[in-house]
Amino acid sequence: AQKVTQAQTEISVVEKEDVTLDCVYETRDTTYYLFWYKQPPSGELVFLIRRNSFDEQNEISGRYSWNFQKSTSSFNFTITASQVVDSAVYFCALYTPGANSKLTFGKGITLSVRP
Amino acid sequence: DGGITQSPKYLFRKEGQNVTLSCEQNLNHDAMYWYRQDPGQGLRLIYYSQIVNDFQKGDIAEGYSVSREKKESFPLTVTSAQKNPTAFYLCASSTPNRGRGGTEAFFGQGTRLTVV
Repeated sequence: AQKVTQAQTEISVVEKEDVTLDCVYETRDTTYYLFWYKQPPSGELVFLIRRNSFDEQNEISGRYSWNFQKSTSSFNFTITASQVVDSAVYFCALYTPGANSKLTFGKGITLSVRP
Repeated sequence: DGGITQSPKYLFRKEGQNVTLSCEQNLNHDAMYWYRQDPGQGLRLIYYSQIVNDFQKGDIAEGYSVSREKKESFPLTVTSAQKNPTAFYLCASSTPNRGRGGTEAFFGQGTRLTVV
């Protein structure tokens, strides 16, 4: 069985603060993919990043960065110098390929960035 | 433009009625998924299909049915057996993208179903 845990449910920060969203996953598979999605108030899910289990390099994209650590089964997401437009629900997801492959999502983290 | 189209955006259903939510994709993806989203519950998997004419139950399949007669279409029927159908429903599709080392899921804009 696979599982994604996002222990934080709601986070509120003031604009320009840095914020880290935590994600812990469980799987018995050695090959898997991890994702982060953003869901703005409009409802549609927006893809942010994909990372496969063989690539532990951290990634930075503008104000966004991701820290993948297999030793702790974590894939954390940091927003630097947060902005009001970052306010959304953020989901971490796990995909394991195979005969019954499927995407499993965490419960999401609601991020509110105040001006 | 390639993408996933869900319709309608808003849907109202009377108690005891069946209702079908549409999901169409022109991305040539093999796999399609239906998720339900409730406040504080995140996304829960209802049904998924890896190929045409085949589908599997997800974590909360009771009260729902699906079909996959065409690769591009994966409609979801919410039956009268679903006791609490009011929710936001998201459809997704994916395919292994070996050239980029992985797979990526694309999502529709969602259908908000309300039972009145």
